[in-house]
Amino acid sequence: NAGVMQNPRHLVRRRGQEARLRCSPVKGHSHVYWYRQLPEEGLKFMVYLQKENIIDESGMPKERFSAEFPKEGPSILRIQQVVRGDSAAYFCASSPPFRRITGNTIYFGEGSWLTVV
Amino acid sequence: KNEVEQSPQNLTAQEGEFITINCSYSVGISALHWLQQHPGGGIVSLFMLSSGKKKHGRLIATINIQEKHSSLHITASHPRDSAVYICAAYPVNAGGTSYGKLTFGQGTILTVHP
Repeated sequence: NAGVMQNPRHLVRRRGQEARLRCSPVKGHSHVYWYRQLPEEGLKFMVYLQKENIIDESGMPKERFSAEFPKEGPSILRIQQVVRGDSAAYFCASSPPFRRITGNTIYFGEGSWLTVV
Repeated sequence: KNEVEQSPQNLTAQEGEFITINCSYSVGISALHWLQQHPGGGIVSLFMLSSGKKKHGRLIATINIQEKHSSLHITASHPRDSAVYICAAYPVNAGGTSYGKLTFGQGTILTVHP
């Protein structure tokens, strides 16, 4: 996985609590993506961030979810007041700036599995 | 209908068999990934393709941009190949560029028996 680090790997939260998932991209990568994999469903794009900017958050639920990628430190995906339906695997990926035509290899982390009880 | 469709959804094979997983997409793309995910595990990119064919060990991936179709082949399959294989495309936006907003197929669950 070329160094994308996610933590925690597993997180259990009670309904109503907050979940914070962290992602440290590959060294030198300035682009971070978050994806969600719900049980028995495929992966879905959530948000695309560059340092200090949200570029595309079209896949983020409108409420309770937020993401940031500060100038220093990891990217954070924050879920407030979690509900059972938030239980899923959350994957972070990173890449260098995209090549316009051919795209670029994207590196995935190991994922963070959130269980809401 | 999903923009990226994979077939089959489930595939069972005997060790040594040649395996093909197909991926069709309905949107313009700049490139396509084949990903591997083991149960409860992370995601690994096997290939990124924008044209032609790539080979790595027993794995071969092809893409036909005109036909909007890609295939992943595994030669001499082995039980350790058992995993979910996911096709993921980089759609081209209105400006003609792509970024990492991947669109995923639903995955193919491969089980290889010894």
